[in-house]
Amino acid sequence: DAKTTQPNSMESNEEEPVHLPCNHSTISGTDYIHWYRQLPSQGPEYVIHGLTSNVNNRMASLAIAEDRKSSTLILHRATLRDAAVYYCILRDRSGGSNYKLTFGKGTLLTVNP
Amino acid sequence: NAGVTQTPKFQVLKTGQSMTLQCAQDMNHEYMSWYRQDPGMGLRLIHYSVGAGITDQGEVPNGYNVSRSTTEDFPLRLLSAAPSQTSVYFCASSYARVDMGEQFFGPGTRLTVL
Repeated sequence: DAKTTQPNSMESNEEEPVHLPCNHSTISGTDYIHWYRQLPSQGPEYVIHGLTSNVNNRMASLAIAEDRKSSTLILHRATLRDAAVYYCILRDRSGGSNYKLTFGKGTLLTVNP
Repeated sequence: NAGVTQTPKFQVLKTGQSMTLQCAQDMNHEYMSWYRQDPGMGLRLIHYSVGAGITDQGEVPNGYNVSRSTTEDFPLRLLSAAPSQTSVYFCASSYARVDMGEQFFGPGTRLTVL
């Protein structure tokens, strides 16, 4: 399985941009990069996903390195509601299945007022 | 749409008891899955299904059974509960797209086995 590496925790101030890094040096050519977040006492919530090109949506931007060995989730203006655990996940294609998401421990983002 | 619903929200079992965690979705998603999350850990996949009548094992399937008789429902059965199964259980669903797309998660069932 292709693995991801994320910092255990990061801190940000409210209304400032946040860049959450993820390393995935063993990514295969057709693995998609997904980001989810989990607010306290809630189920995970989809944030964004991409393959090769940078992606934007209403929640965040995803910047993917040219060699695809790393990516960065960008929250343009952090709010207190963005405090959560952020998971960087590669679509797992092992065993002939391309539907599994393998979660690591993620990055705990703390947002200071 | 109600999205992904799970019942019950909380459950306490004694060792050896059996029970079924219910999961339903009203989005006509082909793919459904069950995860467990232990304190301070990420989610681990228990079982998943890519359509009615098709199920497969995930990372930690032992002690759990599933079936998928309809598109909407994907119950998780604990045959003989053990304290090691104390966890929060999440059900998820999505369309069976090649990039998987957005996976929708339920609110979770918090299970304690004494």
